[in-house]
Formats: sequence, C-alpha cells, structure tokens
Amino acid sequence: AAGVIQSPRHLIKEKRETATLKCYPIPRHDTVYWYQQGPGQDPQFLISFYEKMQSDKGSIPDRFSAQQFSDYHSELNMSSLELGDSALYFCASSLQENYGYTFGSGTRLTVV
Amino acid sequence: DAKTTQPPSMDCAEGRAANLPCNHSTISGNEYVYWYRQIHSQGPQYIIHGLKNNETNEMASLIITEDRKSSTLILPHATLRDTAVYYCIVKAAGNKLTFGGGTRVLVKP
Repeated sequence: AAGVIQSPRHLIKEKRETATLKCYPIPRHDTVYWYQQGPGQDPQFLISFYEKMQSDKGSIPDRFSAQQFSDYHSELNMSSLELGDSALYFCASSLQENYGYTFGSGTRLTVV
Repeated sequence: DAKTTQPPSMDCAEGRAANLPCNHSTISGNEYVYWYRQIHSQGPQYIIHGLKNNETNEMASLIITEDRKSSTLILPHATLRDTAVYYCIVKAAGNKLTFGGGTRVLVKP
C-alpha cells in the first residue's frame, strides 16, 4: 500500500539559509499534518491542512510557512534557518476523523 | 483534549505479553483513546484506538475501563521489534494529535 512520502530524507543547510520540505500524502487522504521532533523530544505539532486550507496551527515559528497544493501534496518552507531548527520533520496524512494518522519516514534537517 | 499519564519506562520479556497502562481521568465523553508508537527515529505508527468498547486488531488489544478513566494496551507476544516509545493520546474528533511523555518499552531477549 502507498505510504506518506517525504523528501528529501536528509538535508544539510547553513544558518540563515532556506529549506523546503515536501510531503506527498496517501491518495484520497484529505488532511496533512506537519510535526517537528528535536533530539530527545516528543513530536511537536506545527500545522495542518484540510482540503488545501490551513485547519490548525501549533508552535510554528513565523520563519516557517506551509501550504497544500491542488494535488494535495504539501510543502514546509523554512527561512533564516537557525541551529535550533535541526530536527526530524514528519508529515502525516489522514482521512477525516476518526481514523489514525499515517506518518512518513521524516526529513532529517541539520543546520550547521 | 484530556491529559494522559503513562509510566516513563518498562521492560518486558520477548514472547510474553506486554501490558501498557494509561490514565486519563479527565477524559470527556466525545474523546477517543489512541495509541501510537515510535521506533527510534522513525515516524510514529498508529496502533489502535477506541471510544469505550475494547478493541483488537492484528497489532494489539485495547482495554478501556468502564468509567473510561484508564486503559491498557496489550501487545500479546512482544518481540524485539516492539521496542519503542508508546504514546497514549486522548483526543476528540477534529483535534490534532498531541504527543507527550509516552512509555519507553524495552523488550529483552
């Protein structure tokens, strides 16, 4: 079965650079979620989209933005990168409640 | 969404059942109990969820007390590959998943 696809798997950026993470949800899933997981921490919710509209917002820095496109894939754009942005970034998708989320394998971002 | 309380860690023997407790004494009537797990550095994986009835699937069983204030996730025959952090999350429909705490389970041979 198709899973949630995230790209790239690994990304190394320098401070103050920008990064774009991509997420391709499971076909026919209508909701996409982004999570950030720092070293030794639990995943933290960033933002979600339902039918291409932002549906909820968590602790996402103003330097980050995200959108969902007409083909339902989503991108997380991160600017003015800081060392503290180094983390695993997970995307998940789901069908409207109450089904479980399916997570991708994540993108490991390292800011140097 | 209601908060949950889980033991920070537990060990279990390979081949034995693993019983993971979760307290959610402030759960509301419209909130579901979800269980996810995260194997090191992988994406969290959905295990099971329930409202008030006990549930079973190919991965695990979920036992919810009658007053819904606590639940237990049962892995019937733990394997080394079940070593992970297990999250018990209570949430209502339409709300996001919020991860916190979790139980670090180590399955030992």
